[in-house]
Amino acid sequence: EAAVTQSPRNKVTVTGGNVTLSCRQTNSHNYMYWYRQDTGHGLRLIHYSYGAGNLQIGDVPDGYKATRTTQEDFFLLLELASPSQTSLYFCASSVSSYEQYFGPGTRLTVL
Amino acid sequence: GDKVKQSPSALSLQEGTNSALRCNFSIAATTVQWFLQNPRGSLINLFYLVPGTKENGRLKSAFDSKESYSTLHIRDAQLEDSGTYFCAAEGSGGSNYKLTFGKGTLLTVTP
Repeated sequence: EAAVTQSPRNKVTVTGGNVTLSCRQTNSHNYMYWYRQDTGHGLRLIHYSYGAGNLQIGDVPDGYKATRTTQEDFFLLLELASPSQTSLYFCASSVSSYEQYFGPGTRLTVL
Repeated sequence: GDKVKQSPSALSLQEGTNSALRCNFSIAATTVQWFLQNPRGSLINLFYLVPGTKENGRLKSAFDSKESYSTLHIRDAQLEDSGTYFCAAEGSGGSNYKLTFGKGTLLTVTP
């Protein structure tokens, strides 16, 4: 089973602050994803990547940057955090279009 | 409108009973995944489906791409089945392995 870890698990920041969320997977999956989960919306895709140095735009990318530095590591960057970005963030990985495996989530609060 | 519509939005079952959850798609889905988000918030992959059926213990899932729906049947419900069930579809036409999630079905199993 895929191992996907996220850090931090909880983060509180202020409006305008910089936040970096980290994700690491240890099963050499080529695809990695960042989602946000909000009540009433389910999970929505922010950005994804099919390999180191690659970035694809998801469905709700505004206000977010992402970077895939290695096969294992995928980062989500909020450079000017806003209260609307308060959410539960999940990272996931997969081999191409097959099963996606999720990390434990990061709860972000922007005050 | 919602590209992936789940029903019902909430469901209460007594232990030992059976039920079915459904997803209808307004996109041309090529594969479907079902996830359980348990009360601790972890997302667990239950099924990955191409058109057809799969079974795992007390769970059985089917995906009909021509009629654009998928179902998840739960047999002999147990307390540990409680949580939110999400279906997600991969669409055709250059979706690049993106999943579109439904908003979930909240299942509560009672003694």
